[in-house]
This record gives sequence, C-alpha cells and structure tokens, in this order.
Amino acid sequence: QKEVEQDPGPLSVPEGAIVSLNCTYSNSAFQYFMWYRQYSRKGPELLMYTYSSGNKEDGRFTAQVDKSSKYISLFIRDSQPSDSATYLCAMTGTGNQFYFGTGTSLTVIP
Amino acid sequence: GAGVSQSPSNKVTEKGKDVELRCDPISGHTALYWYRQRLGQGLEFLIYFQGNSAPDKSGLPSDRFSAERTGESVSTLTIQRTQQEDSAVYLCASSLQYLAGAWDTQYFGPGTRLTVL
Repeated sequence: QKEVEQDPGPLSVPEGAIVSLNCTYSNSAFQYFMWYRQYSRKGPELLMYTYSSGNKEDGRFTAQVDKSSKYISLFIRDSQPSDSATYLCAMTGTGNQFYFGTGTSLTVIP
Repeated sequence: GAGVSQSPSNKVTEKGKDVELRCDPISGHTALYWYRQRLGQGLEFLIYFQGNSAPDKSGLPSDRFSAERTGESVSTLTIQRTQQEDSAVYLCASSLQYLAGAWDTQYFGPGTRLTVL
C-alpha cells in the first residue's frame, strides 16, 4: 500500500466551478499536510499547508484535514483557467521525508 | 531573490553512461532535497541534506545513485551506468530549516529532464 493515494484524474471543469481534490494516507504519524501546484515543465510550488486536523482558507482555496479518517482535501472556489495545473498533496511527520501523491491534473475550461 | 536553479534543464544520454545533475539552492537554506518524478507518478524522495549532518540516503533506489553537498551550497546528484528506467524529471528543493524535525516550506527548482536511450 502506498503511503499517499491520490486520484490522478484528469479532471475537467467549466470556469467558475467548485473543484474538490482529495488524498488519503496510511501513516498516522503525519502531522503536516501540504498542497502543491505544478505547471507543465515547472517545479511544484506550495499553495497551502495545514498542521494537524482542521480547515485553512486562503482566498479561493480551502484545505481540510481529517486525521481520524486519514483524508485531506483541497477546494477551489470560482475556478479560473489559470488554475489549470497538476495538484499534488504531500505530507510529513518529522520534516525529514516528505510523501507525495501522484498529482491530479486539472483543466478549467473558459 | 533568486530561486532554486538546476542544470542542465534537459539531458539525453545513452544507456550505461554516467550523468551528473546540479542543484543550486536558495542562499541560506540549510536543507536540500532530491526527488525523482516519473511520468504520471508522484515525487519520489531520494536524499535529504540538513546542514552538516549526515545525509538521509534512504530513498536512493540503488548504489548507482549518489549525491554530494558541500556545506550549505551546491549539490550534485550522480547516476552511474544509467538505465532506461532512470528516465525521469529530477527535482531539487531547498528549505530554511534550522532544526532537524522542524518542517519548513520547500522551494523547488524547475527540474532536470533526463532521458536515457
């Protein structure tokens, strides 16, 4: 079993839609949960991170962590064509090793 | 300021040759990570350097892979006797991590796309 599971998609939505991206994990020691955005032929860039369980909002983006279910989500409201990218979840317990999902490819159609 | 840079951006090599990939981290960042990203797959941890501590090499897939870092500067990832399954994008990231075990934001370079023919 992989440490982190993420549906690779691809996901295609119309502009303005709400997007939900999810990951599940198996290691209960994970404490920090991150979402990265990766444009084609670029390195990933950090979008948001959350410590332990709870919600965090930043503009159109909301990250949720449910440690009891080992499930994390990223919601994108009012999606824009510029949001088209691959979204990777990542997590770590100690900060030494990070475990990434496979990434979900998102296309927002104008 | 300057971000993480990697060179070369693309490398095509023949099976059996050695390759050396370079990463220049953000100045002052004590932690440096190497990852491999195969097509359609997530990032696979390879190695982690933190200051002057012994590196965490637990992710290196075979003894053909090695990496070095001098102090808190440039790092090189070397792959000896390359195989076709080594074809991937190799990403480097650095972070301002003063204490081992304390997480801090990783900043990624653009990657080196390696193709082994």
